[in-house]
Amino acid sequence: NAGVTQTPKFQVLKTGQSMTLQCAQDMNHNSMYWYRQDPGMGLRLIYYSASEGTTDKGEVPNGYNVSRLNKREFSLRLESAAPSQTSVYFCASRRQSQYNEQFFGPGTRLTVL
Amino acid sequence: AQTVTQSQPEMSVQEAETVTLSCTYDTSENNYYLFWYKQPPSRQMILVIRQEAYKQQNATENRFSVNFQKAAKSFSLKISDSQLGDTAMYFCAFMKQTGANNLFFGTGTRLTVIP
Repeated sequence: NAGVTQTPKFQVLKTGQSMTLQCAQDMNHNSMYWYRQDPGMGLRLIYYSASEGTTDKGEVPNGYNVSRLNKREFSLRLESAAPSQTSVYFCASRRQSQYNEQFFGPGTRLTVL
Repeated sequence: AQTVTQSQPEMSVQEAETVTLSCTYDTSENNYYLFWYKQPPSRQMILVIRQEAYKQQNATENRFSVNFQKAAKSFSLKISDSQLGDTAMYFCAFMKQTGANNLFFGTGTRLTVIP
């Protein structure tokens, strides 16, 4: 039981390049989330998926797209990376339970030059 | 909109002592959840403790406990018998009971446990 996995762990891009961050969970959770963490700030929601086949914008969606490929996988795509997207990206999934707690992946540190 | 405020950017505590981290939040919701997450240098986000707003009893998890004051919209974390492994960033987070169920985070408190 690996929980939430993310690839890659580190990535350096040049302005204008594209890339996809991968996320997978093996806990059979319906809801999945992408957050970004910037220095001096807490995590902020980029996109989320309440269930397979549905996605919705969060607080900071500009410059990103997402795909909920199946129940396990939720990817985040940067079509044309910008320096403002330099950040640490976290994927999370939520267990529907009494507490609705979220479980996080290890994060991807992305630098855009 | 929900906002979460952590007014202590940095704190330190002697090993084996007790420390309290503050958190306040603003919401018009009546039912919600509150969480404390720990982020060590490894960057992994680890759930420390959680609280449902409708429960008056404060949550406890081993050396970790909270002081939840719903009327004051306050949710502080107390760490007893601090250990070196407690050194980390601590984030307070809020979740509505409805909608996306995403987390709203504070800006974090960096805690250092001094040997």
